[in-house]
Amino acid sequence: AQTVTQSQPEMSVQEAETVTLSCTYDTSESNYYLFWYKQPPSRQMILVIRQEAYKQQNATENRFSVNFQKAAKSFSLKISDSQLGDTAMYFCAFMKQPFSNSGYALNFGKGTSLLVTP
Amino acid sequence: NAGVTQTPKFQVLKTGQSMTLQCAQDMNHNSMYWYRQDPGMGLRLIYYSASEGTTDKGEVPNGYNVSRLNKREFSLRLESAAPSQTSVYFCASRSRDRAGYTFGSGTRLTVV
Repeated sequence: AQTVTQSQPEMSVQEAETVTLSCTYDTSESNYYLFWYKQPPSRQMILVIRQEAYKQQNATENRFSVNFQKAAKSFSLKISDSQLGDTAMYFCAFMKQPFSNSGYALNFGKGTSLLVTP
Repeated sequence: NAGVTQTPKFQVLKTGQSMTLQCAQDMNHNSMYWYRQDPGMGLRLIYYSASEGTTDKGEVPNGYNVSRLNKREFSLRLESAAPSQTSVYFCASRSRDRAGYTFGSGTRLTVV
């Protein structure tokens, strides 16, 4: 079974600063996908960024970027120019290639609560 | 708006009562999922349906049943609710291009 570990239960950052959220995972798969999801107080799950394991280039989406280290099984999220609206719970998630009829299920970490302060 | 619709948004049950959580998506997605979210635990998979007509257990299936009624709808049933099932429940669907899931807005269920 794949496990996803987020070692920082809570973090805080000042507005306009940069913050990095950590995620490590354990898998024997060679092809898989990694995701970061944001959950604001509204409870909605919002996809922030995704990374295919076969791609060496790190994914970026505006102020959000990842540092994907496949050999180290590490997938950290960097938020630049933090904004008050970035305050949320952030979840790292893993999805493996299909095995039997696995349906591409997502495995989530326990989350990191990020607070952006003025 | 296209997306995943869950009903109800909130529910309080007494121990032993039964209920069905409804989920429908209008994006023609093949795969649908039910997760539960508990504080400090992240989201854990209860059941999933890889395609219409199939369902499979996830990580925490005990106490739940599911029905994939058609391609659009995937319901989650609690036959005899227990306080341990107090949680926030999310339904999600996934498109073939693996671009991630689309989640519903969640159901907050309290069992007293």
